[in-house]
Amino acid sequence: KAGVTQTPRYLIKTRGQQVTLSCSPISGHRSVSWYQQTPGQGLQFLFEYFSETQRNKGNFPGRFSGRQFSNSRSEMNVSTLELGDSALYLCASREAGSDQETQYFGPGTRLLVL
Amino acid sequence: AQSVTQLDSQVPVFEEAPVELRCNYSSSVSVYLFWYVQYPNQGLQLLLKYLSGSTLVKGINGFEAEFNKSQTSFHLRKPSVHISDTAEYFCAVTPGGSYIPTFGRGTSLIVHP
Repeated sequence: KAGVTQTPRYLIKTRGQQVTLSCSPISGHRSVSWYQQTPGQGLQFLFEYFSETQRNKGNFPGRFSGRQFSNSRSEMNVSTLELGDSALYLCASREAGSDQETQYFGPGTRLLVL
Repeated sequence: AQSVTQLDSQVPVFEEAPVELRCNYSSSVSVYLFWYVQYPNQGLQLLLKYLSGSTLVKGINGFEAEFNKSQTSFHLRKPSVHISDTAEYFCAVTPGGSYIPTFGRGTSLIVHP
């Protein structure tokens, strides 16, 4: 099976702009989670979607939003970008069956906000 | 709520030497435990996991970890490291029924020739 894919891999934006990141999960996986990774804060959970519904949400402002489509692909949107949003954004998927405890990660999208 | 402590931010070691990366956690409920590895400019790759059963877990690339419930630890070991093992290693804890892991801050393993 193909792994989790994320596009784009690299992105440069300026403050105040908005950005949309995309994630395609492993085939058959219905859960998609998003994480922000920074040197200062480490890996932080943003939100999880399962069957097009947000199931869990981390402690991030409302500028961070997401959605999931019927084919389980997910997008994450950040509006009104701030310098502090510069980070590696990781997407992870998991199945709903026997391996449901395990998150499988994509390569990430590195966002730089200038 | 659970927390994960990776006691060493950086572990330098010579090639072919053994290594142990330490991970301690706190949780009021039973947990699932994971180790992930991250190579530069890449995502996280699952090394191994403990869900239940035998407390000694073997993973990929010759790594293994032992779950110690009384000490709430899940240390990662490899008997002989290779240059290619140089990477960032993350310990993660997921409370049973949650499926959202909490990650440690990571340990940078640096293997010298």
